[in-house]
Amino acid sequence: GENVEQHPSTLSVQEGDSAVIKCTYSDSASNYFPWYKQELGKRPQLIIDIRSNVGEKKDQRIAVTLNKTAKHFSLHITETQPEDSAVYFCAARYTGTASKLTFGTGTRLQVTL
Amino acid sequence: GAVVSQHPSWVICKSGTSVKIECRSLDFQATTMFWYRQFPKQSLMLMATSNEGSKATYEQGVEKDKFLINHASLTLSTLTVTSAHPEDSSFYICSATTGDTQYFGPGTRLTVL
Repeated sequence: GENVEQHPSTLSVQEGDSAVIKCTYSDSASNYFPWYKQELGKRPQLIIDIRSNVGEKKDQRIAVTLNKTAKHFSLHITETQPEDSAVYFCAARYTGTASKLTFGTGTRLQVTL
Repeated sequence: GAVVSQHPSWVICKSGTSVKIECRSLDFQATTMFWYRQFPKQSLMLMATSNEGSKATYEQGVEKDKFLINHASLTLSTLTVTSAHPEDSSFYICSATTGDTQYFGPGTRLTVL
């Protein structure tokens, strides 16, 4: 089955700096890679996703890159703000509504003033 | 975007009792829903895949007789924790997929005394 590793487990940055979270996956058949943000006690919220036919996707301050050859994908947050503080999870699966997501272990991002 | 609701949001019960958690897709039909469990400061662990009109598929190590799943309609799946014990205390989250995107419910915090 799929295995997703995520690093770092914790990340502290100053407001305005950039944050990068990296994930690797094991199953070359995976072709869909979402990123979720989870605030304490709340549901995970999808913030961005990327499919394997695309190398990079950007949405305002958030971008995701995918290297299929190396089976790496990364989340980039620029100009971080205190409200970006949360736990971020990467995930991977192959497309299909019945296909289950395999999650990384999460990164706790703390944006300090 | 698609909305998934979950009820109750929290429940406290005595050891040995059963607890039912409902998961509903409010504005779309979901042939497949997923049930996760999340312990504090940990990632989401998939418990089972709930299939409308058929038996759920359980992940390895999850007791199907303890965690009963029923997916009676295209908008409702239920998880019943039978004979709950303190070690079952956790945050239970459901999700449903439309297209490629998986949307999560707000979660149910179960505390077993």
